[in-house]
Amino acid sequence: GAVVSQHPSRVICKSGTSVKIECRSLDFQATTMFWYRQFPKKSLMLMATSNEGSKATYEQGVEKDKFLINHASLTLSTLTVTSAHPEDSSFYICSARDVLAGMGNEQFFGPGTRLTVL
Amino acid sequence: DAKTTQPPSMDCAEGRAANLPCNHSTISGNEYVYWYRQIHSQGPQYIIHGLKNNETNEMASLIITEDRKSSTLILPHATLRDTAVYYCIVREGNTGNQFYFGTGTSLTVIP
Repeated sequence: GAVVSQHPSRVICKSGTSVKIECRSLDFQATTMFWYRQFPKKSLMLMATSNEGSKATYEQGVEKDKFLINHASLTLSTLTVTSAHPEDSSFYICSARDVLAGMGNEQFFGPGTRLTVL
Repeated sequence: DAKTTQPPSMDCAEGRAANLPCNHSTISGNEYVYWYRQIHSQGPQYIIHGLKNNETNEMASLIITEDRKSSTLILPHATLRDTAVYYCIVREGNTGNQFYFGTGTSLTVIP
């Protein structure tokens, strides 16, 4: 199957700093990528849909000024957590949809990024 | 919002079939049923998906009832590595829409 990578896999930062997480589709092009966050023992919660060349669409309750998303190319989307606070500590996961995939295609998920804000 | 309900947890003996149920009584005609699983601290892994017919691949089988209001994921010979949280998701298949995850079923395969 297609491969999606995330970088970094783990990051620890101080409160008030900004952290950038990269999501890359390694062997396919993705016009659409999705960002999720997951708290311990909870399910994945969709944060936003990232479209190449246009503004991201955020889910209700997700602050777009705090979670900046840039989808600059067909293989890269970035999520920047600005002015991070301890409550932003979470597991962030991206997924990507293969632009050439047909009907009923599946999404491919990255391995996740563990963010810890001190 | 998630449109599926699943039991929160299940156990299965190693080597036996694991049957994971999912209820999606409000599914519409153009929505597919997807199954993913997530092993601890990893990204979700695609298992299988279907629209109305039963599906089988190298990982699992998907049985969808005729009225499409429920489905069952079958792992034919569960191994310890199949211990994971299994998510059943309903989504329009051809639009690239978002996945909304429910709470999933935590499957524990017992030696």
